[in-house]
Amino acid sequence: ETGVTQTPRHLVMGMTNKKSLKCEQHLGHNAMYWYKQSAKKPLELMFVYSLEERVENNSVPSRFSPECPNSSHLFLHLHTLQPEDSALYLCASSQDRGIYGYTFGSGTRLTVV
Amino acid sequence: AQSVTQLGSHVSVSEGALVLLRCNYSSSVPPYLFWYVQYPNQGLQLLLKYTSAATLVKGINGFEAEFKKSETSFHLTKPSAHMSDAAEYFCAVMRDNAGNMLTFGGGTRLMVKP
Repeated sequence: ETGVTQTPRHLVMGMTNKKSLKCEQHLGHNAMYWYKQSAKKPLELMFVYSLEERVENNSVPSRFSPECPNSSHLFLHLHTLQPEDSALYLCASSQDRGIYGYTFGSGTRLTVV
Repeated sequence: AQSVTQLGSHVSVSEGALVLLRCNYSSSVPPYLFWYVQYPNQGLQLLLKYTSAATLVKGINGFEAEFKKSETSFHLTKPSAHMSDAAEYFCAVMRDNAGNMLTFGGGTRLMVKP
């Protein structure tokens, strides 16, 4: 596998469920990101991990919990979500500050019912 | 704080016509600038980037963009639109201080008519 892989591609969950989104990068990058993409809203940066340390948390509700066990893997743990959390969740990676750009995965389409 | 404004959430062109997607940024220092494309049900793919080298940047699929400091603009162009160019396009700016994060514009959906 190459690039950034996200699983699952689609997820439907109830408001009381607990689920996790997974992201894996095969590029040797040292920074990883979670973005939320909702209809009619700009891309929202949620979390940044650099060298496996969280360096940004953009006032994201605690029902979203990230985990970065190593530089190749990033998880987003979800619990007691709300319908307004339905969105496309995108993972990205970059080398260092990312001045040469980020590489994005294909995203997980999340629907909360 | 840096921000990016994309004028026009929807742009429609005929096949073979010029494509012009507008992007303006606010920054106190020359930033790093990017254009990404997103096809339906896909993630974002890097089209091109400006990193303080040449002001005219060529990207993939025949796209190019010109950095104009005096206008704080980084508009994306393509001389001749193809049906396969129909997608959403995002302009993004990199913060200039420590910390590695992109700020995205609201996106422009490009429609190409036959």
